[in-house]
Amino acid sequence: GDSVTQMEGPVTLSEEAFLTINCTYTATGYPSLFWYVQYPGEGLQLLLKATKADDKGSNKGFEATYRKETTSFHLEKGSVQVSDSAVYFCALRAMDSNYQLIWGAGTKLIIKP
Amino acid sequence: NAGVTQTPKFQVLKTGQSMTLQCAQDMNHEYMSWYRQDPGMGLRLIHYSVGAGITDQGEVPNGYNVSRSTTEDFPLRLLSAAPSQTSVYFCASSGTSGGGGQFFGPGTRLTVL
Repeated sequence: GDSVTQMEGPVTLSEEAFLTINCTYTATGYPSLFWYVQYPGEGLQLLLKATKADDKGSNKGFEATYRKETTSFHLEKGSVQVSDSAVYFCALRAMDSNYQLIWGAGTKLIIKP
Repeated sequence: NAGVTQTPKFQVLKTGQSMTLQCAQDMNHEYMSWYRQDPGMGLRLIHYSVGAGITDQGEVPNGYNVSRSTTEDFPLRLLSAAPSQTSVYFCASSGTSGGGGQFFGPGTRLTVL
């Protein structure tokens, strides 16, 4: 079945460091791919998405590129801030899905000043 | 638009009590779902609905009931609360306007003693 695998956390970085959170998926065809962010005590928010191969989603300085050849959708940011500390979830929606998402386990990011 | 709203924000129950968690959305989304989030477990789908009058089970449906009498509302009922149901519950919705992504409510923190 379809699945999403994220790198285990927590990931701890210093402010202004470069961030990569790996996400790979297993699915047939061309799923849509998403990154969500959950700040402490809050619900999940859609951070960015990509719906076809080679698409790049971007938002708030974060980027992720849909790589069909490596079945990956890694999240990157050039210079992280303390306010980026949160849990990040990668997810996919299969081509034939009725809006259901398949979720990764989440990666906790801690940014130290 | 209020988006997805959930009530209550916090709830404490005794074992065996029943209650209903409320969820409403004002985006005319067809799809609505309930998740539970436990430490280290990521998101687990409890029940979902693809439209009024249509519901189906997710990954962890036991102990919960749902109904969908209107497009806007999707309540989750705990029939006889157990300590294992202590969790944070999120409601989410999705529709053609969301590009496939889901919109989440702020969550309900439930403790069963």
